[in-house]
Amino acid sequence: AQSVTQLGSHVSVSEGALVLLRCNYSSSVPPYLFWYVQYPNQGLQLLLKYTSAATLVKGINGFEAEFKKSETSFHLTKPSAHMSDAAEYFCAVSDQLSFGNEKLTFGTGTRLTIIP
Amino acid sequence: EPEVTQTPSHQVTQMGQEVILRCVPISNHLYFYWYRQILGQKVEFLVSFYNNEISEKSEIFDDQFSVERPDGSNFTLKIRSTKLEDSAMYFCASRTGVMNTEAFFGQGTRLTVV
Repeated sequence: AQSVTQLGSHVSVSEGALVLLRCNYSSSVPPYLFWYVQYPNQGLQLLLKYTSAATLVKGINGFEAEFKKSETSFHLTKPSAHMSDAAEYFCAVSDQLSFGNEKLTFGTGTRLTIIP
Repeated sequence: EPEVTQTPSHQVTQMGQEVILRCVPISNHLYFYWYRQILGQKVEFLVSFYNNEISEKSEIFDDQFSVERPDGSNFTLKIRSTKLEDSAMYFCASRTGVMNTEAFFGQGTRLTVV
């Protein structure tokens, strides 16, 4: 079974500083990876996804992630944190159940706090 | 922009009672899902639904749980006799069915069993 591990359940960065949220995956087949964000009292929103095209993936709100097969990683970064980035971030890997049907296996999440 | 909607946003129920959580998936999507997140834990897959039947379920999804699409737009999760450990955030999601595309999630229903 495929899985993802998120290192650091809580990350705090200063406004304007680099954001780095870590995700490592375990997969016996080429993985399809996603980052979702959950703002307070809201649902899960897709930030970006890797589906074996470009290894550097750009998402919404200035976030990007790089797929590194040699390191089995898919870390999420943003050059300059903004107060509005405070949220919980989930890394997920897609498991194919049958043709067209896939489920997501999530990491435990990282809560990002931005320090003014 | 189309979105998945869930009602209610918060439900409090007594242990042993039945609850129904409701979802309206995006209209042209073919695959529907329920996930749950117990407080402080990871989001977990419960069940997938396609062509009016369950296509996959996790070991969490026991006989106390059922899903249906009663009218072609709503997608419901029923818990027959709630337990304290069913307290969680329940997320509905839908997908088009195109390979390796994202799931769209609703805002969740927070279920509290007392």
